[in-house]
Amino acid sequence: GDSVTQMEGPVTLSEEAFLTINCTYTATGYPSLFWYVQYPGEGLQLLLKATKADDKGSNKGFEATYRKETTSFHLEKGSVQVSDSAVYFCALSDPNAGNKLTFGGGTRVLVKP
Amino acid sequence: SQTIHQWPATLVQPVGSPLSLECTVEGTSNPNLYWYRQAAGRGLQLLFYSVGIGQISSEVPQNLSASRPQDRQFILSSKKLLLSDSGFYLCAGDRVNTEAFFGQGTRLTVV
Repeated sequence: GDSVTQMEGPVTLSEEAFLTINCTYTATGYPSLFWYVQYPGEGLQLLLKATKADDKGSNKGFEATYRKETTSFHLEKGSVQVSDSAVYFCALSDPNAGNKLTFGGGTRVLVKP
Repeated sequence: SQTIHQWPATLVQPVGSPLSLECTVEGTSNPNLYWYRQAAGRGLQLLFYSVGIGQISSEVPQNLSASRPQDRQFILSSKKLLLSDSGFYLCAGDRVNTEAFFGQGTRLTVV
Protein backbone atom coordinates (compact mmCIF):
# COMPACT_ATOMS: atom_id res chain seq x y z
CA GLY A 1 0.00 0.00 0.00
CA ASP A 2 0.88 3.65 -0.13
CA SER A 3 3.15 5.15 2.49
CA VAL A 4 4.90 8.39 3.34
CA THR A 5 8.07 8.58 5.36
CA GLN A 6 9.35 11.83 6.78
CA MET A 7 12.14 12.65 9.13
CA GLU A 8 11.30 12.48 12.79
CA GLY A 9 11.51 15.56 14.90
CA PRO A 10 11.70 17.60 16.80
CA VAL A 11 13.87 19.85 14.70
CA THR A 12 15.19 22.84 16.62
CA LEU A 13 16.63 25.77 14.71
CA SER A 14 17.69 29.34 15.28
CA GLU A 15 15.92 32.15 13.48
CA GLU A 16 17.19 32.72 9.92
CA ALA A 17 18.59 29.18 9.69
CA PHE A 18 17.97 26.93 6.69
CA LEU A 19 15.29 24.27 7.12
CA THR A 20 14.99 20.96 5.28
CA ILE A 21 12.45 18.28 6.09
CA ASN A 22 12.91 15.11 4.11
CA CYS A 23 9.93 13.22 2.72
CA THR A 24 9.87 10.09 0.59
CA TYR A 25 6.89 8.10 -0.59
CA THR A 26 5.73 4.85 -2.10
CA ALA A 27 2.58 4.70 -4.19
CA THR A 28 0.99 2.33 -6.66
CA GLY A 29 -0.13 5.15 -8.93
CA TYR A 30 1.10 8.58 -9.88
CA PRO A 31 0.23 10.60 -6.80
CA SER A 32 -0.20 14.25 -6.01
CA LEU A 33 2.04 15.39 -3.18
CA PHE A 34 1.32 17.85 -0.40
CA TRP A 35 2.82 19.53 2.61
CA TYR A 36 0.40 20.45 5.38
CA VAL A 37 1.21 22.55 8.42
CA GLN A 38 -0.35 22.57 11.88
CA TYR A 39 0.45 25.69 13.89
CA PRO A 40 0.09 25.47 17.68
CA GLY A 41 -3.56 25.38 18.67
CA GLU A 42 -4.80 25.37 15.09
CA GLY A 43 -6.04 22.84 12.57
CA LEU A 44 -4.16 21.49 9.58
CA GLN A 45 -3.85 23.67 6.54
CA LEU A 46 -2.35 23.17 3.15
CA LEU A 47 1.09 24.71 2.77
CA LEU A 48 1.93 23.69 -0.79
CA LYS A 49 1.38 20.96 -3.34
CA ALA A 50 2.67 19.46 -6.59
CA THR A 51 0.71 17.29 -8.96
CA LYS A 52 3.31 16.02 -11.43
CA ALA A 53 7.00 15.23 -11.72
CA ASP A 54 9.38 18.20 -11.52
CA ASP A 55 6.61 20.52 -10.32
CA LYS A 56 7.71 22.88 -7.60
CA GLY A 57 5.20 23.92 -4.98
CA SER A 58 5.90 27.11 -3.06
CA ASN A 59 4.23 29.23 -0.40
CA LYS A 60 5.32 31.53 2.44
CA GLY A 61 8.99 31.05 1.48
CA PHE A 62 8.71 27.25 1.58
CA GLU A 63 9.45 25.14 -1.48
CA ALA A 64 9.26 21.47 -2.41
CA THR A 65 9.97 19.77 -5.73
CA TYR A 66 8.24 16.58 -6.90
CA ARG A 67 11.10 14.18 -7.70
CA LYS A 68 9.73 11.04 -9.32
CA GLU A 69 13.14 9.43 -9.80
CA THR A 70 13.88 9.56 -6.08
CA THR A 71 10.20 9.42 -4.96
CA SER A 72 10.84 12.44 -2.77
CA PHE A 73 9.20 15.77 -1.91
CA HIS A 74 11.57 17.47 0.52
CA LEU A 75 10.43 20.72 2.12
CA GLU A 76 12.90 23.63 2.31
CA LYS A 77 12.98 27.19 3.55
CA GLY A 78 16.02 29.40 3.30
CA SER A 79 15.49 31.53 6.40
CA VAL A 80 13.04 30.42 9.06
CA GLN A 81 11.21 32.66 11.49
CA VAL A 82 9.86 31.98 14.97
CA SER A 83 6.38 31.98 13.43
CA ASP A 84 7.34 28.90 11.38
CA SER A 85 7.29 26.80 14.53
CA ALA A 86 4.71 24.11 13.79
CA VAL A 87 4.22 20.47 12.88
CA TYR A 88 4.70 19.73 9.19
CA PHE A 89 3.06 16.77 7.47
CA CYS A 90 3.97 15.34 4.08
CA ALA A 91 1.08 13.62 2.32
CA LEU A 92 0.08 12.01 -0.94
CA SER A 93 -3.13 11.41 -2.81
CA ASP A 94 -3.01 8.33 -5.03
CA PRO A 95 -5.49 8.08 -7.93
CA ASN A 96 -4.89 4.31 -8.01
CA ALA A 97 -6.19 4.14 -4.45
CA GLY A 98 -9.31 6.21 -4.91
CA ASN A 99 -7.35 9.37 -4.17
CA LYS A 100 -7.03 8.30 -0.57
CA LEU A 101 -4.92 10.70 1.48
CA THR A 102 -1.90 9.18 3.20
CA PHE A 103 0.12 11.23 5.69
CA GLY A 104 3.61 10.94 7.01
CA GLY A 105 4.24 10.94 10.72
CA GLY A 106 4.74 14.68 10.99
CA THR A 107 7.83 16.66 11.94
CA ARG A 108 7.74 19.16 14.76
CA VAL A 109 9.84 22.25 14.05
CA LEU A 110 10.81 24.69 16.77
CA VAL A 111 12.45 27.96 15.79
CA LYS A 112 14.16 29.87 18.58
CA PRO A 113 14.84 33.61 18.45
CA SER B 1 -15.60 26.70 0.13
CA GLN B 2 -15.70 23.34 1.82
CA THR B 3 -15.78 23.19 5.58
CA ILE B 4 -15.98 20.42 8.15
CA HIS B 5 -17.76 20.87 11.43
CA GLN B 6 -16.43 18.47 14.03
CA TRP B 7 -17.52 18.30 17.64
CA PRO B 8 -16.89 18.29 20.48
CA ALA B 9 -13.48 19.97 20.66
CA THR B 10 -12.53 18.18 23.86
CA LEU B 11 -13.96 15.13 25.56
CA VAL B 12 -13.14 13.24 28.72
CA GLN B 13 -14.69 9.80 28.97
CA PRO B 14 -14.29 6.93 31.45
CA VAL B 15 -12.90 3.58 30.38
CA GLY B 16 -15.67 1.31 29.16
CA SER B 17 -18.01 4.11 28.13
CA PRO B 18 -19.30 4.50 24.55
CA LEU B 19 -18.09 7.11 22.10
CA SER B 20 -19.68 8.97 19.24
CA LEU B 21 -17.83 11.69 17.35
CA GLU B 22 -19.55 13.33 14.45
CA CYS B 23 -18.40 15.47 11.60
CA THR B 24 -20.50 17.14 8.95
CA VAL B 25 -19.44 18.66 5.67
CA GLU B 26 -20.64 21.85 4.06
CA GLY B 27 -19.92 23.37 0.69
CA THR B 28 -19.43 20.25 -1.38
CA SER B 29 -21.08 16.94 -2.19
CA ASN B 30 -19.83 13.39 -2.52
CA PRO B 31 -16.49 13.97 -0.80
CA ASN B 32 -14.10 11.31 0.37
CA LEU B 33 -14.12 11.44 4.15
CA TYR B 34 -11.47 10.33 6.62
CA TRP B 35 -10.96 9.78 10.32
CA TYR B 36 -7.39 10.18 11.53
CA ARG B 37 -5.94 9.78 14.99
CA GLN B 38 -2.88 11.56 16.28
CA ALA B 39 -1.66 9.88 19.44
CA ALA B 40 0.60 11.85 21.76
CA GLY B 41 4.00 12.42 20.15
CA ARG B 42 3.05 10.59 16.97
CA GLY B 43 1.85 11.42 13.49
CA LEU B 44 -1.50 11.15 11.80
CA GLN B 45 -2.73 7.59 11.52
CA LEU B 46 -5.55 6.87 9.10
CA LEU B 47 -8.32 4.97 10.86
CA PHE B 48 -11.18 4.92 8.35
CA TYR B 49 -12.01 6.38 5.02
CA SER B 50 -15.22 6.51 3.02
CA VAL B 51 -15.86 7.18 -0.64
CA GLY B 52 -19.64 7.29 -0.29
CA ILE B 53 -22.73 6.59 1.81
CA GLY B 54 -22.41 3.30 3.65
CA GLN B 55 -18.93 2.64 2.25
CA ILE B 56 -16.30 2.36 4.95
CA SER B 57 -12.75 1.07 4.73
CA SER B 58 -10.85 0.32 7.90
CA GLU B 59 -7.11 0.82 7.82
CA VAL B 60 -6.10 -0.67 11.14
CA PRO B 61 -7.75 -3.15 13.49
CA GLN B 62 -8.97 -1.39 16.58
CA ASN B 63 -11.66 -0.74 19.09
CA LEU B 64 -13.43 1.79 16.90
CA SER B 65 -15.93 1.77 14.05
CA ALA B 66 -17.17 4.34 11.56
CA SER B 67 -20.37 4.96 9.70
CA ARG B 68 -21.54 7.25 6.94
CA PRO B 69 -25.31 7.44 7.08
CA GLN B 70 -25.51 10.49 4.83
CA ASP B 71 -23.28 11.93 2.13
CA ARG B 72 -22.03 14.74 4.37
CA GLN B 73 -22.02 12.96 7.72
CA PHE B 74 -19.25 10.76 9.08
CA ILE B 75 -19.39 9.23 12.54
CA LEU B 76 -16.69 7.60 14.64
CA SER B 77 -17.90 5.27 17.38
CA SER B 78 -16.86 2.87 20.06
CA LYS B 79 -18.96 0.62 22.28
CA LYS B 80 -16.38 0.54 25.08
CA LEU B 81 -13.47 2.93 25.24
CA LEU B 82 -9.98 1.83 26.24
CA LEU B 83 -7.24 3.96 27.76
CA SER B 84 -5.30 3.52 24.54
CA ASP B 85 -8.07 5.26 22.60
CA SER B 86 -6.94 8.61 23.99
CA GLY B 87 -5.66 10.97 21.35
CA PHE B 88 -6.51 13.70 18.90
CA TYR B 89 -9.13 12.67 16.34
CA LEU B 90 -9.33 14.56 13.10
CA CYS B 91 -12.03 14.40 10.44
CA ALA B 92 -10.95 15.31 6.94
CA GLY B 93 -12.42 15.39 3.47
CA ASP B 94 -11.34 15.82 -0.10
CA ARG B 95 -12.49 15.43 -3.67
CA VAL B 96 -10.65 14.38 -6.78
CA ASN B 97 -7.93 16.89 -7.67
CA THR B 98 -8.74 19.24 -4.80
CA GLU B 99 -6.86 19.87 -1.60
CA ALA B 100 -8.07 18.31 1.61
CA PHE B 101 -10.07 20.21 4.19
CA PHE B 102 -10.08 19.46 7.87
CA GLY B 103 -12.18 19.74 10.96
CA GLN B 104 -10.76 21.34 14.08
CA GLY B 105 -10.28 17.99 15.76
CA THR B 106 -11.44 16.40 19.00
CA ARG B 107 -9.07 15.79 21.86
CA LEU B 108 -10.26 12.65 23.61
CA THR B 109 -8.97 11.67 27.02
CA VAL B 110 -10.03 8.31 28.37
CA VAL B 111 -9.68 8.11 32.15
